[in-house]
Amino acid sequence: EAQVTQNPRYLITVTGKKLTVTCSQNMNHEYMSWYRQDPGLGLRQIYYSMNVEVTDKGDVPEGYKVSRKEKRNFPLILESPSPNQTSLYFCASSPRGGGYEQYFGPGTRLTVT
Amino acid sequence: DQQVKQNSPSLSVQEGRISILNCDYTNSMFDYFLWYKKYPAEGPTFLISISSIKDKNEDGRFTVFLNKSAKHLSLHIVPSQPGDSAVYFCAASDRGSTLGRLYFGRGTQLTVWP
Repeated sequence: EAQVTQNPRYLITVTGKKLTVTCSQNMNHEYMSWYRQDPGLGLRQIYYSMNVEVTDKGDVPEGYKVSRKEKRNFPLILESPSPNQTSLYFCASSPRGGGYEQYFGPGTRLTVT
Repeated sequence: DQQVKQNSPSLSVQEGRISILNCDYTNSMFDYFLWYKKYPAEGPTFLISISSIKDKNEDGRFTVFLNKSAKHLSLHIVPSQPGDSAVYFCAASDRGSTLGRLYFGRGTQLTVWP
């Protein structure tokens, strides 16, 4: 089944404890992206990757890192999580580039205390 | 500054009636527009899109209308069904841009009641 998977789906952690949210797609898509969804703010892009060689910041990159070592995986790294990073996170991928239809993962609910 | 705006946070419609969700944009370079639907505890799913060379696109019960001069698009759902209850996001892109990204609105919660 063609899909974007994220792990974990739910995570509760403490301030400052490094964490990684994994994202993997099995559709051979070049483009991948991370978003966060907060009440009243919609979907805001954190980072995106046009392909394995190109990664760039979105609207809200502060406090996040990404890595794109292979086409199928695009992990989101929080080196020192803070409570304002409590949010719902979505990974997405696209076969035609970021300006076209993107296919989203199921989401990761992160709580930082 | 938000480039894609959905000014109605919520909409309530009776089953069988038409649902009209609205979206406005400010960037005249946007040439591709999409609607996504999101259920609780799931990721957004692509619903329908329209290119700026068209003013209407239909897919079953869903129709998107684009008014370029007004920088406005709308999603019509006819007839509305309880299963349509979800958050709907409008998105837009400038396909000629090297940035390659979608700009999302803040979403409209649609509730369809029996």
